[in-house]
Amino acid sequence: GAVVSQHPSRVICKSGTSVKIECRSLDFQATTMFWYRQFPKKSLMLMATSNEGSKATYEQGVEKDKFLINHASLTLSTLTVTSAHPEDSSFYICSARDQSTSSEKTQYFGPGTRLLVL
Amino acid sequence: GNSVTQMEGPVTLSEEAFLTINCTYTATGYPSLFWYVQYPGEGLQLLLKATKADDKGSNKGFEATYRKETTSFHLEKGSVQVSDSAVYFCAFSSGNTPLVFGKGTRLSVIA
Repeated sequence: GAVVSQHPSRVICKSGTSVKIECRSLDFQATTMFWYRQFPKKSLMLMATSNEGSKATYEQGVEKDKFLINHASLTLSTLTVTSAHPEDSSFYICSARDQSTSSEKTQYFGPGTRLLVL
Repeated sequence: GNSVTQMEGPVTLSEEAFLTINCTYTATGYPSLFWYVQYPGEGLQLLLKATKADDKGSNKGFEATYRKETTSFHLEKGSVQVSDSAVYFCAFSSGNTPLVFGKGTRLSVIA
């Protein structure tokens, strides 16, 4: 149980285009999803927290107009990198929290999406 | 503020050696503690967790005990294998806050 999928796993795009990454919780409902960015050989940087049906909360320094997050259902959140530039190239990882138990705090992670902007 | 400090790597061990990766945390309240593992090119997988003091999390031969008095959650394994080579992240969560991660420790196990 507690499987999180991401699609696509890898994407290459031209500078100036937009890229959408999907994150799905496959066997549980996730009221809250998180989006992280990971630079090579570095830890994960939290970009934003997404709650189903409401606006995402972005961390300081993350441009909300650049990284659009939508959490339209309890099993799906999307991250759209708008007008991508080479410096947006990174490994993006989503995470979902199983809210079925009030005491459950575990976050489950997707396999990540590697974005390369040319 | 909230933070996690874990030993810096890389850690290189021979197969069947004993592994310890230290982790201490600074948090308010009573956080839940986690170890995640990231294999090359993949996302994070939950390795083990502990939700209250003195709990021991264990999985795949790895263990960690929630030590409230020392605010620690050190990861141990008695005999590592080449397949354990990965990056290990210590993390905690308090209430409904997102996970706070350590910087990760890269482990390389050589045959």
